[in-house]
Parts: sequence; C-alpha cells; structure tokens
Amino acid sequence: EVQLLESGGGLVQPGGSLRLSCAASGFTFGTYAMNWVRQAPGKGLEWVSALSGSGDSTYYADSVKGRFIISRDNSKNTLFLQLNSLRAEDTAVYYCARDRVIRGVTHFDFWGQGTLVTVSS
Amino acid sequence: SYVVTQPPSVSVAPGQTARLTCGGNNIGSKSVHWYQQKPGQAPVVVVYDGSDRPSGIPERISGSNSGNTATLTIGRVEAGDEADYYCQVWDSTSYWVFGGGTKLTVL
Repeated sequence: EVQLLESGGGLVQPGGSLRLSCAASGFTFGTYAMNWVRQAPGKGLEWVSALSGSGDSTYYADSVKGRFIISRDNSKNTLFLQLNSLRAEDTAVYYCARDRVIRGVTHFDFWGQGTLVTVSS
Repeated sequence: SYVVTQPPSVSVAPGQTARLTCGGNNIGSKSVHWYQQKPGQAPVVVVYDGSDRPSGIPERISGSNSGNTATLTIGRVEAGDEADYYCQVWDSTSYWVFGGGTKLTVL
C-alpha cells in the first residue's frame, strides 16, 4: 500500500526557516518524481515544487523560487522541502504528492495528509 | 503564465447531473486532471488525462475536454459527492497549474 507521511510543520516567525519531510512507503521511491503542493487556509491548491526520481531535475513555482529547496534521499525513501525566508503568505497545509505517468501523461496519483506551516510573529 | 478558470460553486439536487467546467486557452490541446477534495482530507484524483478514471472511481464520473473548456460530469449525484473539485494541467512555462476549485453542493 502506497503511503506518504508529511512532517516538520509548525509555527515559525516571518523570515524564519523550516524543513518539511515526506516519508514514502509501499513503492520503489527512487523511480517516481515527487511534488509539493500547498493549500492556504480556505483557499485552493497551489503547486510548489517538483523533483525527478533521480533528484537531477527540480522545478519551482515563481512564488517560492529562490526561497524553497526541494531534495530527496532515495536511500531513506524521503522527500524534503526546505523553506527559507518565510512570509505570512506561505502559511498553508503542505502536501507531498507522487507523479504517475500513464501513456506519457503525468498526474498526481497519491497524496499525503499534509503538514501545516504557520508563519506568524 | 497559463491560467485555468473554474466557477466557485455549483449546486445540484440528488440524482441529477452536475457539470463542472475548467476553462483555459486551447485547453483541449492539454491533458486535464480532476481532483476531489473533501473537508479535512487530501485531494484524490477522480479523472486523469481528460477522461480516464482510476480504479475505484464510479463510471458515473466522467471527463471531457475540447476547445477552451474541460468538463467533469458527475451523474446521479449523491450526498457523498459534495466536495471541492480542482482541475489541473501541465504548462511548459508555468509547470503545474490548478484551477481555483469548484465547491459542489448537493441540495
């Protein structure tokens, strides 16, 4: 059974940093690209970042480029998101989601339950 | 950047058909995915690549995509279908783009 479990969220002051983790199980982690998607309270989904299975290719939304860093440790089946220079507008539930490629088309087939990041003084 | 637009809300009576739209410039040329999100839960894919359903998703849920509009159709709507629905596309400049979501209310 595929499972994704996020952790590392919490309350942080503006300008601070936080590192989120997503522990994966039930599949061969290193063969799947992974994503972070966030959802501000009462708002819609916003894709944040993606990382190839090998870790060689990274992608970021303009809203977080230069502040957030995505990485992974395939030996530990874990995806990370380093959040730096945090702003109030980064307050959200952060989900990790797995890429699934079918006939050359990618979608997100499994999501974790999310971890809440609150940026406030 | 590519923008996809969804109506904020759709209401339908039980047993009727709900049609949720996702608009974008020439979206018919893109692969559109639909996610259902119930309160306090993570999103779940209900349709991918325009019209394909993952295992476990009932046949009364279907998708189509043409021109500037993609549509998620939910037939014989049930109370359990009440949720937020998001469309998603890949764009070469914006990468992954989600619509703003539609709240489906079952009257």
